[in-house]
Amino acid sequence: GENVEQHPSTLSVQEGDSAVIKCTYSDSASNYFPWYKQELGKGPQLIIDIRSNVGEKKDQRIAVTLNKTAKHFSLHITETQPEDSAVYFCAASRGGYGGATNKLIFGTGTLLAVQP
Amino acid sequence: NAGVTQTPKFRVLKTGQSMTLLCAQDMNHEYMYWYRQDPGMGLRLIHYSVGEGTTAKGEVPDGYNVSRLKKQNFLLGLESAAPSQTSVYFCASSYSTSGTLFFGPGTRLTVL
Repeated sequence: GENVEQHPSTLSVQEGDSAVIKCTYSDSASNYFPWYKQELGKGPQLIIDIRSNVGEKKDQRIAVTLNKTAKHFSLHITETQPEDSAVYFCAASRGGYGGATNKLIFGTGTLLAVQP
Repeated sequence: NAGVTQTPKFRVLKTGQSMTLLCAQDMNHEYMYWYRQDPGMGLRLIHYSVGEGTTAKGEVPDGYNVSRLKKQNFLLGLESAAPSQTSVYFCASSYSTSGTLFFGPGTRLTVL
């Protein structure tokens, strides 16, 4: 079945360093790739997303890259800050085109710890 | 706007007991979802709804039932709870099939 693999499961960086989280997906029809951030005791919140017609997207310190040929996408956080500490989830879906619902397949999560 | 709210926040059940989790959203979203989150397994879709009066099965629907009698509410029921249903349950909603999911704060359920 459809699967999304996410690595690493934990990541510790020093404040100011960059962090990279990588995901691979199995369904070649996937065309929507969001990233969610989950802070302790809260629900996940969308931080950035990318669609298959775009190779890279940036939003301030956060960027996502997509390689459809290799079926992988990555989250890049630059100049990390302690408030970036959280669990990050990648996900993939067919995006709902053709009437399908937005059934996201999530990765298993990455616990990012930013050390001050 | 409150966004997506869930009640209760915590619950402890004994094996075989039943309960209903309530999800409410005030964003007029058509689509609503129930996920469960387990350590090392990410979020898995239990059931979803594409509009008032509709429901459909997700990845892990066994042991759960849902109802969407009103557009703003999505109920998740456990008829006979089992220890394997110990998890954190998240409700989410979205405006469209390809839109952003907005998640509630979660319900932590323990089945003894």
